This record gives sequence, structure tokens and C-alpha cells, in this order.
Amino acid sequence: DIQMTQSPSSLSASVGDRVTITCRASQTIDNYLNWYQQKPGRAPELLIYSVSSLQSGVPSRFSGSGSGTDFTLTITNLQPEDSATYFCQHSYTTPPTFGGGTKVGIK
Amino acid sequence: QVQLVESGGGVVQPGRSLRLSCAASGFTFSSYDMHWVRQAPGKGLEWVAHILYDGSYKYYADSVRGRFTISRDNSKNTLDLQVNSLRPEDTAVYYCAKDRTMHIRPIDYNRAPLDFWGQGTLVTVSS
Repeated sequence: DIQMTQSPSSLSASVGDRVTITCRASQTIDNYLNWYQQKPGRAPELLIYSVSSLQSGVPSRFSGSGSGTDFTLTITNLQPEDSATYFCQHSYTTPPTFGGGTKVGIK
Repeated sequence: QVQLVESGGGVVQPGRSLRLSCAASGFTFSSYDMHWVRQAPGKGLEWVAHILYDGSYKYYADSVRGRFTISRDNSKNTLDLQVNSLRPEDTAVYYCAKDRTMHIRPIDYNRAPLDFWGQGTLVTVSS
């Protein structure tokens, strides 16, 4: 199975900050890397797919980059409503495993 | 709009069974692969099972293979997960989710993200 490792596991930043979350796959997954946002008590929502494509309705302050095994989710101009847990996931093959999550808090 | 509504969760003793269901609407259910993903209390997401749009292929996580069975009824737009021989570590919120893109060739793995999720149904395994 492909292992997905996210870092950091949590972070706290101020409104307006730029936040970066990294995700590393244990083997190459081409561009089949997706990001999800989950707020407390809610189901996850697709944020970014195929490394850098924004799901419909997602604000442009979210962006993704990377290739092969190393990927990044960046939130520019952090907003209070971005307080959530973010998960990466590969969809390269089965099982489509998730990273452990990064909890983003607002100072 | 796309809606996925799970049901069937509850409190069950170890070793017992449950049948979880997911009612789909707002899209052509028979054209999309579907998945079950679970989340233990306070933990991360764990993919559980995947069924192709026509039910021809099914995939399972190692942790549930042989105990859980995924199925679908395209005439009723429903997805099911039969969960048997439940263990305390199966305690979780179970979500159904759909692939973002249609599956073109069943023999190929559909490398799609999960674009819509239900609200989840809680399964608690406890004596």
C-alpha cells in the first residue's frame, strides 16, 4: 500500500498569513493527489484534485503544487473560516489512502 | 443537487452485524463508482471499500476484507455496506462518497477523487 505522510500535524496562524501543508507519498503517484477540508462535525469536502485543480466553489486562496511523491497545499491570506483539518489522499491505485491530517487553527 | 444520505448506524455488540445504506440523488448513480470511508472518533480518514458503477468490481481495505461487503442497487439508487463480525476498532462514522468522474474502462482503476460525501452514520461497537 502507498503511505501518505502529512506535516505538520497541526499549526496555528494569524488571519492573513500564508500557510503551507506538505504531503509525501511512499512511492510515485503521478498527479493523482487530492486535498480535502473537514470542519468539526462535518463531512470532508473536496478542495483540490489532481495536485492543483480547484474543485468548483473553492476560493482561489487555496492552491496545490508538487509532483511524483512530494506535494503542497498552500492557503494564502488565511481566513477565519479556513480553520479546519486538511487531509491529502492519493487516487493512483487501490487502496486510495489518506494522510493523517493537518489541523489548522487561527491565532 | 447531489445528495448522499447514510443510514443504518447504531450501537452493536462485538461480533454482531449491521447493514449501512446510502441513498443517492441528484446525479446518474449508475454511472459512478462509489466508496465507503470511515473515521474513528477523533481520528483521521480510513478508506473502507469501493464498488464500480456497475457492481462488476469491488475493492476492500485489508482491515475489513472478509467481514464487510459492499453492494449497490442501481434501480433504487442505493449503496450498501454489510458489516459483519464487528470489532470495537470498527467504531467510526461511516461516510459514503462518489467518484468525481465516470469510470471509462472497468478493467482500469478509476483514478478519481471523491467529490461528494454524505453526512455519515455512526457505528459504535461496544459490549
